[in-house]
Amino acid sequence: AQSVTQPDIHITVSEGASLELRCNYSYGATPYLFWYVQSPGQGLQLLLKYFSGDTLVQGIKGFEAEFKRSQSSFNLRKPSVHWSDAAEYFCAVGPPRQDFGNEKLTFGTGTRLTIIP
Amino acid sequence: KAGVTQTPRYLIKTRGQQVTLSCSPISGHRSVSWYQQTPGQGLQFLFEYFSETQRNKGNFPGRFSGRQFSNSRSEMNVSTLELGDSALYLCASSRQRTLNTGELFFGEGSRLTVL
Repeated sequence: AQSVTQPDIHITVSEGASLELRCNYSYGATPYLFWYVQSPGQGLQLLLKYFSGDTLVQGIKGFEAEFKRSQSSFNLRKPSVHWSDAAEYFCAVGPPRQDFGNEKLTFGTGTRLTIIP
Repeated sequence: KAGVTQTPRYLIKTRGQQVTLSCSPISGHRSVSWYQQTPGQGLQFLFEYFSETQRNKGNFPGRFSGRQFSNSRSEMNVSTLELGDSALYLCASSRQRTLNTGELFFGEGSRLTVL
């Protein structure tokens, strides 16, 4: 069964500092990979996704993520965080093909990001 | 264009009651998925509907059910509510069934509190 691990429950960074959120997955093949962000009281918004090809993917709001097959990781990065980036971040995996009956996202437990001035 | 709309946003029920939550997907989206979000379990997949048929189901008891209408709107129902059903219920829509064609668009959720 697929699983996603986000080892950091809570991260605090200073505004303007760089950020890296970790994500490791377990899956039989290379899955589709996603990062979502959830602001308080809101639903989830897709930041970026990896399906195939270039292992460094760019997303919205200045985020990027790098897929490393050898480490089964898909870490999210941002070179300089803004106070508005404070939110909860979820890594997710999905089936890499039309795996009918298994078309769902499996989410990590999330990393809460706090930004200090 | 309008996003995914969920109603009601907040509701309070007591144990043993039942509840129905509604989700209107983005126009043109035919797939609707439901997820339960709790602090302890995180985001858990409930089920997916496409063309009025349940296509996939998560590991939840039969008290959790849903349906989809011809206009792609979906409802989920929880019967005989338990305290542990307190959660944020998120609906997500996508244009097609498979994830490899795009992303899930989430609504803001319906927050259910069971007393």
